[in-house]
Amino acid sequence: DVQMTQSPSSLSASVGDRVTITCRASQSINYHLSWYQQKPGKAPKLLIYAASDLQSGVPSRFSGSKSGTDFTLTIDSLQRDDFATYYCQQSYSDPSFGQGTRVEI
Amino acid sequence: EVQLLESGGDLVQPGGSLRLSCAASGFSFSSYAMSWVRQAPGKGLEWVSSISGSGSISKNADSVKGRFSISRDNSKNTLSLQMNSLSAGDTAVYYCAASGNYHALTFDYWGQGALVTVSS
Repeated sequence: DVQMTQSPSSLSASVGDRVTITCRASQSINYHLSWYQQKPGKAPKLLIYAASDLQSGVPSRFSGSKSGTDFTLTIDSLQRDDFATYYCQQSYSDPSFGQGTRVEI
Repeated sequence: EVQLLESGGDLVQPGGSLRLSCAASGFSFSSYAMSWVRQAPGKGLEWVSSISGSGSISKNADSVKGRFSISRDNSKNTLSLQMNSLSAGDTAVYYCAASGNYHALTFDYWGQGALVTVSS
């Protein structure tokens, strides 16, 4: 099984900040990595797939990158609507998620 | 507009059974693999089960293997999850989700979730 280790588990930020969240896979997963945003009481929403492709309708301040088995979600100029929990997920084998990162004020 | 609407969530006793359903609309249902993903209260996301667009192949997480069974009816655009031998650890919100590729499951669309509570 592929284990996904996500960090940090939470972070405090302000509107306008640049935020970076990292996910490390326990083995090579090529580009089979997605990022989701979840707000309290709501279903997750796909933001990025294939490590760096932006889902239709997602603001361009969200971006993803890959370096080996490390993956990064970056939010440029954090907006109030971006305060949420973010999850990474690998689709190389049976799906598995990171533990989540809560972005709060 | 894509819509996934789960139903069937309930309070059930340990050892009991429950069947969840997910009604899909707004997309070509049979072209999408479908999955169930759950989230225990205050916890992260956990993949449960997936089925291919045709329904010919499926797979389950080890945590539910032998107890849960996924199925679909493409004529009715519905997905189901039969859950047996339920325990407190199965208490969660269960989401149905659609993926364009069964062999690389990225969850493009999600339902609003159905709450399953296992308690005496």
